[in-house]
Amino acid sequence: GAGVSQTPSNKVTEKGKYVELRCDPISGHTALYWYRQSLGQGPEFLIYFQGTGAADDSGLPNDRFFAVRPEGSVSTLKIQRTERGDSAMYLCASSIAGYGTDTQYFGPGTRLTVL
Amino acid sequence: AQSVTQLGSHVSVSEGALVLLRCNYSSSVPPYLFWYVQYPNQGLQLLLKYTSAATLVKGINGFEAEFKKSETSFHLTKPSAHMSDAAEYFCAVSLFQTSGSRLTFGEGTQLTVNP
Repeated sequence: GAGVSQTPSNKVTEKGKYVELRCDPISGHTALYWYRQSLGQGPEFLIYFQGTGAADDSGLPNDRFFAVRPEGSVSTLKIQRTERGDSAMYLCASSIAGYGTDTQYFGPGTRLTVL
Repeated sequence: AQSVTQLGSHVSVSEGALVLLRCNYSSSVPPYLFWYVQYPNQGLQLLLKYTSAATLVKGINGFEAEFKKSETSFHLTKPSAHMSDAAEYFCAVSLFQTSGSRLTFGEGTQLTVNP
């Protein structure tokens, strides 16, 4: 079956611009996660959705970052007024129910470069 | 709060040699532990996970890991390295929380396999 997909695979933007990153989780998975991975580092948690609601957004670095999942499936991570420090790989993962024992399945990521 | 420490950001082994990648965790409650592998330009793939059943966990591609509570460790091993094992490996910990179970990752270990 289809895995987690993310679009675009690469995004280059200029400082100050707005970007949207899309994640399409595995069908039937109620839990969806966004992580950010800087070069040479492990992924860092950003936000967790259970269904349509953001159950934990404590990892978002500031109010320029926002994410939605309006129908409980596809999610969009939105970054306003991008800064060079936002350059990173943005990873999306989904799991069947969000329990600690559930496997999180990761997409291939979107590499964001802010010039 | 939970955390993971991976000792050795780079490990180099010869083809056919033992692979040992170290992971120590810190957690105030019994953790769930995961090992993921990341190949270049790909998303993270689960190798194996510990969810409080058997302490010796077998995963894909001949990898296994042993949960040792007394040592707070979850080291990853493979008896005989193959060239295709060259990749970055991440140890991660999760806790069941009512608001979902984010993964906290270590910084990763880059494995090189020499012919």
